[in-house]
Amino acid sequence: GAGVSQSPRYKVAKRGQDVALRCDPISGHVSLFWYQQALGQGPEFLTYFQNEAQLDKSGLPSDRFFAERPEGSVSTLKIQRTQQEDSAVYLCASSFSGGLTSYGYTFGSGTRLTVV
Amino acid sequence: QKEVEQNSGPLSVPEGAIASLNCTYSDRVSQSFFWYRQYSGKSPELIMSIYSNGDKEDGRFTAQLNKASQYVSLLIRDSQPSDSATYLCAVSRPNQGGKLIFGQGTELSVKP
Repeated sequence: GAGVSQSPRYKVAKRGQDVALRCDPISGHVSLFWYQQALGQGPEFLTYFQNEAQLDKSGLPSDRFFAERPEGSVSTLKIQRTQQEDSAVYLCASSFSGGLTSYGYTFGSGTRLTVV
Repeated sequence: QKEVEQNSGPLSVPEGAIASLNCTYSDRVSQSFFWYRQYSGKSPELIMSIYSNGDKEDGRFTAQLNKASQYVSLLIRDSQPSDSATYLCAVSRPNQGGKLIFGQGTELSVKP
């Protein structure tokens, strides 16, 4: 596709439920990023992949959060035992380049997660 | 102190005026600087990037960077109601693979 695609667009989860959020990056893009955006705040970095390698996961808030990109394209962000504080929009972005300099990137439409 | 700080606003300007959005950052090694626009309920959209001191113009938008003062700004000339959105400042550091650190955003309202 032409852009970064995320699914589902909306997800309502009961507290304690596991969820999986999917990101399809732009074809050929090396780098893939996940961010979390709480209401009224800027996006917060969660994790970064270069191809299939997860090079930075310093932003994952707890060990309930897990991300993978096994074949270097599609990525899944999994949240186990969801809590109300996990309610946020989860944004994915991809970039052709990776490494030394950031040239900015385009975000997908995001997944809005509501934990009830 | 937050790494990237913006006034949350809202900033209200009349149609046709210049809107000035400001951002400061704390880490001197920050290398690349970005402005994103985010409409309500939508994802952030990259509108400007700047890498060296001075001004960079793109249509009605001008980004200004002053690394000595650790300050970056965005000017929007001839503001239009369609410019009403939240503007996010983001910075990156070298050798971090493109990780961006965002400010909380400034809400801009352009009144007809």
